[in-house]
Amino acid sequence: QSALTQPASVSGSPGQSITISCTGTSSDVGSYNLVSWYQQHPGKAPKLMIYEVSERPSGVSNRFSGSKSGNTASLTISGLQAEDEADYYCSSYANSDTLVFGGGTKVTVL
Amino acid sequence: QVQLQQSGPGLVKPSQTLSLTCAISGDSVSSNSAAWNWIRQSPSRGLEWLGRTYCRSKCYHDYAVSLRGRITITPDTSKNQFSLLLNSVTPEDTAVYYCARDPLAYYWYFDLWGRGTLVTVSS
Repeated sequence: QSALTQPASVSGSPGQSITISCTGTSSDVGSYNLVSWYQQHPGKAPKLMIYEVSERPSGVSNRFSGSKSGNTASLTISGLQAEDEADYYCSSYANSDTLVFGGGTKVTVL
Repeated sequence: QVQLQQSGPGLVKPSQTLSLTCAISGDSVSSNSAAWNWIRQSPSRGLEWLGRTYCRSKCYHDYAVSLRGRITITPDTSKNQFSLLLNSVTPEDTAVYYCARDPLAYYWYFDLWGRGTLVTVSS
């Protein structure tokens, strides 16, 4: 399976909203509502931010939201804050009991 | 509080076998709902899911297609841990290796991660 496609970088000013896209195929994102998003700060393990396309784990700010249309999933961060500066990765279940990740997006808070 | 504690060597020689263990506290490798995964990360390959094990009436595993034939993930119910074996390693297997829990095995997300182990493949 090929990696999901994410933009290399996205930036925004504090308080703004940004959206990160995650494009797959009909074999992964397009066929299953099993898309997750992870936040990773330098030197740390990834942290789950969204699962099953739009579900938020307990303790994750409601400024983070997820959606999906066709083969593309999206993560939106509203009210951007300095602490949101990190790398973000999407993942999706793919056929035959495997999982594929996106290449990652670096979010910069200007 | 559920925690995953990783252990294993940080340096492996080419052609040898990489071996890592993930000890579970606060949950069970025999959980009826969870699956226990290995994921790695490198600058060249990004995040890469390697495989998982989960136990119901018996234990099962799923592996990434690209690694089938080289990878084994094994649960140890007596020690409440699971292990990764990756054989015939090359420098391309150099990465930070993470163990992670999927709390509901059929939903394919990871809510708990180990701290990561940097494994370098070099002679």
